[in-house]
Amino acid sequence: EAQVTQNPRYLITVTGKKLTVTCSQNMNHEYMSWYRQDPGLGLRQIYYSMNVEVTDKGDVPEGYKVSRKEKRNFPLILESPSPNQTSLYFCASSHGLNYEQYFGPGTRLTVT
Amino acid sequence: GESVGLHLPTLSVQEGDNSIINCAYSNSASDYFIWYKQESGKGPQFIIDIRSNMDKRQGQRVTVLLNKTVKHLSLQIAATQPGDSAVYFCAEKTNNNDMRFGAGTRLTVKP
Repeated sequence: EAQVTQNPRYLITVTGKKLTVTCSQNMNHEYMSWYRQDPGLGLRQIYYSMNVEVTDKGDVPEGYKVSRKEKRNFPLILESPSPNQTSLYFCASSHGLNYEQYFGPGTRLTVT
Repeated sequence: GESVGLHLPTLSVQEGDNSIINCAYSNSASDYFIWYKQESGKGPQFIIDIRSNMDKRQGQRVTVLLNKTVKHLSLQIAATQPGDSAVYFCAEKTNNNDMRFGAGTRLTVKP
């Protein structure tokens, strides 16, 4: 089944404790992206990647890192999480910029 | 900065009626637009897309209209069903290759 998977689905952590949210797709997509979703703000793009070893900042990259060492994986790294990073995070992938994106199920992160 | 927005945050329609969800965008250089549907507890799901060289595109029960003159995008759902109840987002790909989403419209279908 073609899909985007994210892990963990739920995470509660404390300020400053490094964490990684994994994202994997099995559709051989070149393009991958991370979004955060907050009430009233819709989805905001954090980082995206056009292909392996190519990443770019989206609208809200501060406090986040990403890497794209393999085509199928695009982990999101929070080196020192803060409470304002409490949010619902979605990973997505597509064949390219002008193609529909397939979204993962989301990761709900709470930073206390 | 420029952003995608929506005219109405909520829309309530009777089952069987047609629904129209509107979206205003401000980046005139955006060249690709998408409508997504998000059900509670799930990730957004693609509905239909349109490129800037078109003004209308039809899918199964859905139509997207693009008016570049006034920078307006709309999603029309024919014969709305209870399963159409969800939050609908428009998104645009800007000339900087960013993907920007609107805040969303909640569609409620009354039986």
